[in-house]
Parts: sequence; C-alpha cells; structure tokens
Amino acid sequence: AQKVTQAQTEISVVEKEDVTLDCVYETRDTTYYLFWYKQPPSGELVFLIRRNSFDEQNEISGRYSWNFQKSTSSFNFTITASQVVDSAVYFCALTAYGQNFVFGPGTRLSVLP
Amino acid sequence: EADIYQTPRYLVIGTGKKITLECSQTMGHDKMYWYQQDPGMELHLIHYSYGVNSTEKGDLSSESTVSRIRTEHFPLTLESARPSHTSQYLCASRESGGNYGYTFGSGTRLTVV
Repeated sequence: AQKVTQAQTEISVVEKEDVTLDCVYETRDTTYYLFWYKQPPSGELVFLIRRNSFDEQNEISGRYSWNFQKSTSSFNFTITASQVVDSAVYFCALTAYGQNFVFGPGTRLSVLP
Repeated sequence: EADIYQTPRYLVIGTGKKITLECSQTMGHDKMYWYQQDPGMELHLIHYSYGVNSTEKGDLSSESTVSRIRTEHFPLTLESARPSHTSQYLCASRESGGNYGYTFGSGTRLTVV
C-alpha cells in the first residue's frame, strides 16, 4: 500500500525566512512519481512539481527547491526567502502507473509580514 | 487559464434539496476525479472515472453519485442535501498512459443549511 506522511501540520515563519516542508512516502513500486501541490486560500490546487523515482537530482525553480532522497523515502520542499504570498496549504502526493494519487494530509504554511 | 471548470463556485442550499455540481474539462482527459475537502484539510477521493460509462467509488464513502456520459463532463449529484455535506468539492482530471499530474478545477464550496 502507498502512503504519504507530512508530519508538519502547521508552520509559521516570518517573511524572508527559509522554510522546509517535509514529505515522507511509502511504496512497494519501483517506478513511482512524486508531486507537490499548493492550495492558496482561494481553494484551488496548483501543480508545483513532478519527480519520477529514477531522477534523484534536486531541482530549483526560483525560490523553490526540492530534495528527493530515495534512501530515506523523502521528497522535501524548501522555500527560500519566504513571502506572504507563499501562505497556503501544501500537499505532497504519490502515484505509480495505473494507480490513483495518494495525497499527504497537507502542511499549512503561514508567512507573517 | 483553467482547462477544467467547476460550477457553481459557491452554493448555499437548504436541507433536502437535490443539487448537481458541474465539472467539465477541455483537455480530452480520460481520467476524472471528485475529491471532498474541508477547508485546508485532507483530500478525500469520493468518485473517479477512467472513461465514458466508467465510474467507481473512492476511498471515502459518499452519498453522492456521478455519471460520465461524455469524456469532458463529470457531474456530481446529491439527491437530498444535508448539513453534513457542507464541504468543498474539487474536480480533477488526468491524462491516461502515463503518470501525469492532476489538473484541478477551482472547486465548489457547498453549504447546506
């Protein structure tokens, strides 16, 4: 069975601080895909990144970076120099071929001015 | 620009009414999904479809029903709304044949009074 854990329920930081959101997953599949989604207060889910299990290279996109480590089954997300607009709920998700997504419970990030 | 549309965006309705939440996508995706979510909380899969005339119940038991008569359309119906149905309902779609991410609609926030 697949499972995604986001141990941090809520995080609060002050603007310009760096923050890391943790994601730990469980799967027996050798080929799988990991995702991060952002859900701002308006409610829609916005796709941020997809990473397949064969690609452990870290990725950076502007102030966002992702660290994928198969050895620890983790796919952590770091926001550098956080901004108020980063305040949202962030979901990590896992899927394998032919399977539905498994979402983590989400981490609510509050960035205070 | 959204390629998956949900209407209405907000709905307040009385107990016992029948309601249909609309979801349409223009991407030709075979797979479509309905999630129920209390604001900022976990996402619960309630229905999914892998194509026309295919519908399945999700992980969370729901009194709602769905239909998939056309590829682009996946409406969700509640025959008799109750206050316990108050929630946000998110529709999503996804390409088949790979492990692409979900594209989500903006959601319908339903309040049953």
